[in-house]
Amino acid sequence: SQQGEEDPQALSIQEGENATMNCSYKTSINNLQWYRQNSGRGLVHLILIRSNEREKHSGRLRVTLDTSKKSSSLLITASRAADTASYFCATDATGANSKLTFGKGITLSVRP
Amino acid sequence: DTGVSQDPRHKITKRGQNVTFRCDPISEHNRLYWYRQTLGQGPEFLTYFQNEAQLEKSRLLSDRFSAERPKGSFSTLEIQRTEQGDSAMYLCASSVAGRTGELFFGEGSRLTVL
Repeated sequence: SQQGEEDPQALSIQEGENATMNCSYKTSINNLQWYRQNSGRGLVHLILIRSNEREKHSGRLRVTLDTSKKSSSLLITASRAADTASYFCATDATGANSKLTFGKGITLSVRP
Repeated sequence: DTGVSQDPRHKITKRGQNVTFRCDPISEHNRLYWYRQTLGQGPEFLTYFQNEAQLEKSRLLSDRFSAERPKGSFSTLEIQRTEQGDSAMYLCASSVAGRTGELFFGEGSRLTVL
């Protein structure tokens, strides 16, 4: 079963704009992670935020976590055409031994 | 460090045939995971190993599926008597137990059952 639900399912923006993607989950977690997947390829880890953290930055990425609302958001600033991909949130639920549960993903298209 | 490698990358088979996928994790990683991903969906957990021990199996893993990691290094995932519903991308990932929890994925093995 998939715990995370991303929103929106698809997002199309112009190069240079910011992209915001949201994820909601159901159970208590140790951490939440975001991954990226180019078409037909494997997943690449982007950023991890622990349950006791509220915000984290990595380059053009900013992730927030609200454990009271069981939600997270991923912001990609100054998007590039190369950011076009599917993005997944994944939760490491408490007691799950680092077995990640993924959402259905968000398809991001960045128009040049 | 060559990352996680999976073989074959693509497999087309006829219904009823057996198929086997291999995964070579990053060498110092003691945890190895198998996930299945169908079109438009996120990866779904199948099973994972710590060293050679298979610690958890999903209910998705029917008795036609078997996974092994005999020496705690590479792993194989075998599907017997394939069905059209088995068509999917099979993803392998590895990690180090006790570290941050980040998974390192291979490029996947895409199975098409005709």
